[in-house]
Amino acid sequence: GQQVMQIPQYQHVQEGEDFTTYCNSSTTLSNIQWYKQRPGGHPVFLIQLVKSGEVKKQKRLTFQFGEAKKNSSLHITATQTTDVGTYFCAGRVSTSGTYKYIFGTGTRLKVLA
Amino acid sequence: DAGVTQSPTHLIKTRGQQVTLRCSPISGHKSVSWYQQVLGQGPQFIFQYYEKEERGRGNFPDRFSARQFPNYSSELNVNALLLGDSALYLCASSLASYLAGDSGANVLTFGAGSRLTVL
Repeated sequence: GQQVMQIPQYQHVQEGEDFTTYCNSSTTLSNIQWYKQRPGGHPVFLIQLVKSGEVKKQKRLTFQFGEAKKNSSLHITATQTTDVGTYFCAGRVSTSGTYKYIFGTGTRLKVLA
Repeated sequence: DAGVTQSPTHLIKTRGQQVTLRCSPISGHKSVSWYQQVLGQGPQFIFQYYEKEERGRGNFPDRFSARQFPNYSSELNVNALLLGDSALYLCASSLASYLAGDSGANVLTFGAGSRLTVL
């Protein structure tokens, strides 16, 4: 079946270090979204990427969509304690004439002050 | 403006029982999706409804069913509960169905979830 994997599963960094999570799909994606879920919370939308090779930036966050539209990455520069949480990618795939979003396995980020 | 509201927030059931979870989308949003999130994993897609019609279904057994009402609110029903159904059930609303193009209309806004424990 269609799967979206993320690596690493966990990442502990010192505050001020950079962090990157990678998202890989078994199938081509129509678009990809990124969400952040704080401990005990619910996923909150961060960004959507649509075009092959697209790069978007939000302050310290840089998002990239692969040329083949099967992978994506999220890079955080100079992490802060407020970045703590689990980051999920969600790829839009076609199935039986409709679309659905498949969430990745998530990368849990801990930032040590 | 109220966000996506879900009820109940927590509930405990025993195996074999039935449960109904409720969701009210953001005003103006016509699409509601349901996800199951087991502890430590990513959300798994269960259903999507748009304009009261089912527009997508994930790999869940027939014990799971849902519907959307004329006011776009939605209910998720799970029959014959199993221990493995214990999870956080998330409802997400969006402006449009997933049939729409690559626009912001497909951005998912999640509710706080209903945490179901099956004993």
